[in-house]
Amino acid sequence: EPEVTQTPSHQVTQMGQEVILRCVPISNHLYFYWYRQILGQKVEFLVSFYNNEISEKSEIFDDQFSVERPDGSNFTLKIRSTKLEDSAMYFCASSGLRGGQETQYFGPGTRLLVL
Amino acid sequence: AQTVTQSQPEMSVQEAETVTLSCTYDTSENNYYLFWYKQPPSRQMILVIRQEAYKQQNATENRFSVNFQKAAKSFSLKISDSQLGDTAMYFCAFMKHYGGSQGNLIFGKGTKLSVKP
Repeated sequence: EPEVTQTPSHQVTQMGQEVILRCVPISNHLYFYWYRQILGQKVEFLVSFYNNEISEKSEIFDDQFSVERPDGSNFTLKIRSTKLEDSAMYFCASSGLRGGQETQYFGPGTRLLVL
Repeated sequence: AQTVTQSQPEMSVQEAETVTLSCTYDTSENNYYLFWYKQPPSRQMILVIRQEAYKQQNATENRFSVNFQKAAKSFSLKISDSQLGDTAMYFCAFMKHYGGSQGNLIFGKGTKLSVKP
């Protein structure tokens, strides 16, 4: 069964550095999402992406964040200047109409640690 | 704004027994979806079950079933014949239905379920 994949699985970075988290959504899906989960807390929505543009974003998704679909397969999340509080698990998800049902399928996550 | 509340931070159940996890939500929307996701120690988010608000029939997936009470805005998950592999964090989630487009998921804080041998 097709899966969402994410790379890297773990990333350690210094505060102020830029990071790019990569995702390959399920191939026939049209909607893409980024969520984050700070350790011990609930999963929070960051941004959704459709038809090569952001369709919705949360308050968390400020100017330090950007998303891109540089080619037909990858979907990236960039954090320009990381802060300590950006340390979290970042999940990519994708959805499409599979059997008429709208369900978001999640990747395994990237664990980001900002030092 | 929509909110999702899971009032049980932790629960435990004996292997082979049945357990019910609670979830309530608040919304003024009429069309929406509800989900339960499982997050094992690996921290991957795995879909367990989904329910469309317009369907009166409760969704079932093998040992997993829901009790969807739309008027009460309640969406509980029942796990029958619990297995050790069911040990995980369980998140209830809400999504608005945009009539063809897609919405973001709003999650509850989760319930940590431990299945004991």
